[in-house]
Amino acid sequence: DIVMTQSPDSLAVSLGERATINCKSTQSVLYSSNNKNYLAWYQQKPGQPPKLLIYWASTRESGVPDRFIGSGSGTDFTLTISSLQADDVAVYYCHQYYDTPWTFGQGTKVEIK
Amino acid sequence: QVQLVESGGGVVQPGRSLRLSCAASGFTFSSYGMHWVRQAPGKGLEWVAVISFDGSNTYYGDSVKGRFTISRDNSKNTLYLQMDSLRTEDTAVYYCAKTGSARACDYWGQGTLVTVSS
Repeated sequence: DIVMTQSPDSLAVSLGERATINCKSTQSVLYSSNNKNYLAWYQQKPGQPPKLLIYWASTRESGVPDRFIGSGSGTDFTLTISSLQADDVAVYYCHQYYDTPWTFGQGTKVEIK
Repeated sequence: QVQLVESGGGVVQPGRSLRLSCAASGFTFSSYGMHWVRQAPGKGLEWVAVISFDGSNTYYGDSVKGRFTISRDNSKNTLYLQMDSLRTEDTAVYYCAKTGSARACDYWGQGTLVTVSS
């Protein structure tokens, strides 16, 4: 199974500042035939289902603010919130859909400092 | 708009069975793979199972393999999860989710809570 490990487990950032979440997989999720990373990022607020933010490691889902930026390739990925807003307080998960069983990172809780 | 509505959750004793349903609307259900993903109270997300658009292929997470069965009825736009031999560690909110064109899950239901307890 591909294990996804996020860091840090939690972080507190001031409003307007940058938040950075890292995600590492135990094997590459880059599919060589189409050069796409099968890596997504989700945001989950309390009492709500996850919301897709980023797929193919760096493509924003429709309607997602451009302050959410996904980057990385292979086994190392990053979600950056360029200017944290109050509405961004949530838990963020990385997720590989390269191979079954699909797996998620353990989550990173983002709070306001 | 896409809607996914789960039902069938509740309290069940260990060893018993339960069947979850997910009613889909707002998209061509028969064209998309569908997933079940669960979340234990206060914990992270765990992928449970996926079924192809036509039901011909299914895959399961290691913790539910041999006990859970995912299925679908495209004539009723409904996804199912048959859960047998339930264990206390199966206690979770169960979400159904639609596979997007980019293969990641793009829409999720609100979830249904399953509590396995004696």
